[in-house]
This record gives sequence, structure tokens and C-alpha cells, in this order.
Amino acid sequence: EAGVAQSPRYKIIEKRQSVAFWCNPISGHATLYWYQQILGQGPKLLIQFQNNGVVDDSQLPKDRFSAERLKGVDSTLKIQPAKLEDSAVYLCASSSGGPSRQFFGPGTRLTVL
Amino acid sequence: GDSVTQMEGPVTLSEEAFLTINCTYTATGYPSLFWYVQYPGEGLQLLLKATKADDKGSNKGFEATYRKETTSFHLEKGSVQVSDSAVYFCALTVFGNEKLTFGTGTRLTIIP
Repeated sequence: EAGVAQSPRYKIIEKRQSVAFWCNPISGHATLYWYQQILGQGPKLLIQFQNNGVVDDSQLPKDRFSAERLKGVDSTLKIQPAKLEDSAVYLCASSSGGPSRQFFGPGTRLTVL
Repeated sequence: GDSVTQMEGPVTLSEEAFLTINCTYTATGYPSLFWYVQYPGEGLQLLLKATKADDKGSNKGFEATYRKETTSFHLEKGSVQVSDSAVYFCALTVFGNEKLTFGTGTRLTIIP
């Protein structure tokens, strides 16, 4: 079974630029999560989708972050414009039901200069 | 709100040493508790879990017991190996909410 795929793996941009990350979940997984992991901290949930609907986006900075999951399969997370404090690893996870069945992708490491 | 406090790292041990990584939690409801591991260059993987008080989760020689009275879920292993070098995260969810709340992680390095 293929795992959660993410791209790119690394991205370096300057502040005020825009960036987008892509995630392809495990086939058949209805729930998709985006987490932000700042260096030295644990992952923090940004947004949770159930199929193509948003379940929880309470910690998503909506003035600059957006996410979509068209057709309930793959998803994109966008930052526009980026700030220095957005430097982090962005993790995507998918689940067929329940947190113990969450599978994580390798992450995208973003550096904002 | 919900939170997880983990033992400060990094932790460096010799091979075959006994490992304990402390984890305590605060939860608004009845939590399920998890340990995740992140090996170098890889994604987070579920290591073990416990869903009710006094449950013991175990996997790959690691164990953790859900202690409601002390709100703790300490990770232990009797004899660590070099291949156990990784970052370990304690996490929880509260019943009815799939959202994982993570601790800050503990980096473990095992030296031969």
C-alpha cells in the first residue's frame, strides 16, 4: 500500500512570497490533516478535512493560509504572503477513521528568508 | 485546553541501557494516549497507544501504561539499540475529536 505522498520535500522562499504544498493521501482515506511542526515543537493541527469538507480549521491563520481538497482526494496548502515565522515542516496525514489510524507523510520543510 | 508535557531532551544513552521518557497530560475530556516516533528522514509513525486507564500499550520492546491518577504515560524500554535513535512524541486525543495534540518531542540518541 502506497503511503501519504507530499511535495516538494524542501522549499526555500523569501518573505512575502507565496508557496504551495501538495499532499496525496492513502487511497480511500476520507480524512486528511495538515500539521505545522516548528523546530523544537510538536506538530500542531492547522486544518482537518473530511472528504472535501472542512471539519476543523480553528488554528489556521486564515489571513495568509488557505487549503483545499477538491474532489475529496489530494489537497493543497498555500501560504500567501509568507512570514519568517512560517519556517517549519508541514506534515500531511490521512486516516480511514480514528486518530490511531492516522498515517503521516514525510513532510515539506519550508525555510522563509 | 488539552496539552502534553514531555521530558526535556535530548537524551543520550549507551546501547542496552534502560530508557524512560516522561510524559504527562492535561485533558478536558477522557483522552486516548499515543507515542509516535520519527526516524531520521521519515514521517511520524504510531509506536503504541492506550485508550483507557491502566491499559498498557506495547510495540517493538517499548511499553507505556496509561496512569489516570498521575495523568502520565511514560515510555519505557528495557534495552535500547542504536536503531532506536529517533525523536519520540507523546500525544493525545479526546473522545469525540480526532485531533492529535502533541508534546514537544524528545530526541533520543543511542551510542554503541
